Amino acid sequence: NAGVTQTPKFQVLKTGQSMTLQCAQDMNHEYMSWYRQDPGMGLRLIHYSVGAGITDQGEVPNGYNVSRSTTEDFPLRLLSAAPSQTSVYFCASAQGSITEAFFGQGTRLTVV
Amino acid sequence: GQQLNQSPQSMFIQEGEDVSMNCTSSSIFNTWLWYKQDPGEGPVLLIALYKAGELTSNGRLTAQFGITRKDSFLNISASIPSDVGIYFCAGQLGVAEKLVFGKGTKLTVNP
Repeated sequence: NAGVTQTPKFQVLKTGQSMTLQCAQDMNHEYMSWYRQDPGMGLRLIHYSVGAGITDQGEVPNGYNVSRSTTEDFPLRLLSAAPSQTSVYFCASAQGSITEAFFGQGTRLTVV
Repeated sequence: GQQLNQSPQSMFIQEGEDVSMNCTSSSIFNTWLWYKQDPGEGPVLLIALYKAGELTSNGRLTAQFGITRKDSFLNISASIPSDVGIYFCAGQLGVAEKLVFGKGTKLTVNP
């Protein structure tokens, strides 16, 4: 049981490049979400999904897109990377209520 | 939007000491959670609180859901070096609501 798997673990992008951060869970969880963690800012919700085909915006959605075509996967897309998107990104999943979310190990993204 | 104020921001303690940290909000929450994040890892759930006034323990950790529903406390007794990390509180307004996280308390334990 792998839990929540994020890839890649590290990534460096140039300003304007696009990329997709992958998140997969093998626990058949309905709820998945993406957070970004910046020093002194805690975890801020980017986008979330309560089930396949359903997504919604969180606290800081600008510059990011998501889709949920399957229960297992919830990719996060950066269409045109900016230095302000330099951060550590965490994916989380939960069954039913989001109160007991399982987090992935994170993707450290640097935009230069 | 809803905000959680977590304090202190950082703590430096000696091994064996007890630790106390808290989280307050201007809004009422129906669920309070406490997470720990080890360096280079994602947060891991320590304790979940679902009822105002609830006091819950997990080993050396004890957390309480404030009676006003606007605060929560986490205590760690007899700290050990592996307690080092960042502790986050999180609140949830309702069953289908998003989690709101505090900014974290960074704990350093000196052997």
